[in-house]
Amino acid sequence: AQSVSQHNHHVILSEAASLELGCNYSYGGTVNLFWYVQYPGQHLQLLLKYFSGDPLVKGIKGFEAEFIKSKFSFNLRKPSVQWSDTAEYFCAVKPAGGGYNKLIFGAGTRLAVHP
Amino acid sequence: NAGVTQTPKFRILKIGQSMTLQCTQDMNHNYMYWYRQDPGMGLKLIYYSVGAGITDKGEVPNGYNVSRSTTEDFPLRLELAAPSQTSVYFCASSPVGEATRQNYGYTFGSGTRLTVV
Repeated sequence: AQSVSQHNHHVILSEAASLELGCNYSYGGTVNLFWYVQYPGQHLQLLLKYFSGDPLVKGIKGFEAEFIKSKFSFNLRKPSVQWSDTAEYFCAVKPAGGGYNKLIFGAGTRLAVHP
Repeated sequence: NAGVTQTPKFRILKIGQSMTLQCTQDMNHNYMYWYRQDPGMGLKLIYYSVGAGITDKGEVPNGYNVSRSTTEDFPLRLELAAPSQTSVYFCASSPVGEATRQNYGYTFGSGTRLTVV
């Protein structure tokens, strides 16, 4: 069965530090990849997505992610975090070309940014 | 500015009680989903629907039922509430297929926090 692994469950950073959150998936075929963010008390919002083309994807709020097919990875990065980035981040995968757009989510990484 | 609307936002149920979580979307999305979110577990798919009158089980359907009589509405029914159903429930919708990849992505509701005691 397909699965998504997020290695870091909790990350604590100071403002201006760089961020990298790991995401690996298990699926042998072509995939579409997503990162969602959930701010405290809010619903999930799409940060960025990858379907095809340039494996370096830029999203909102200065986030980017790199798809490395050989490593089955889609890590999220941000050069300099802000206190307002405190949230939970979810990686999600969808096998391309079908499946009724059902997403498989990772367990999430809770990020706390201290001033 | 509606998107996906879920009601109620909070609910406390006693063991054995029943309730319906409401979900409505106004984006004319064919696909709709119910997920539950538990700490450290991410989101698990309960049921999904690909259009009015068509529903199917997801990863964790036991104890739940759904219906889809219209494109807009996708209610989730708990018949006999159990403590294991304490969770946060999210409804989501998406447009059909990758032809809409420019705007593809789930739109989530704000969630229902359910406690079963």
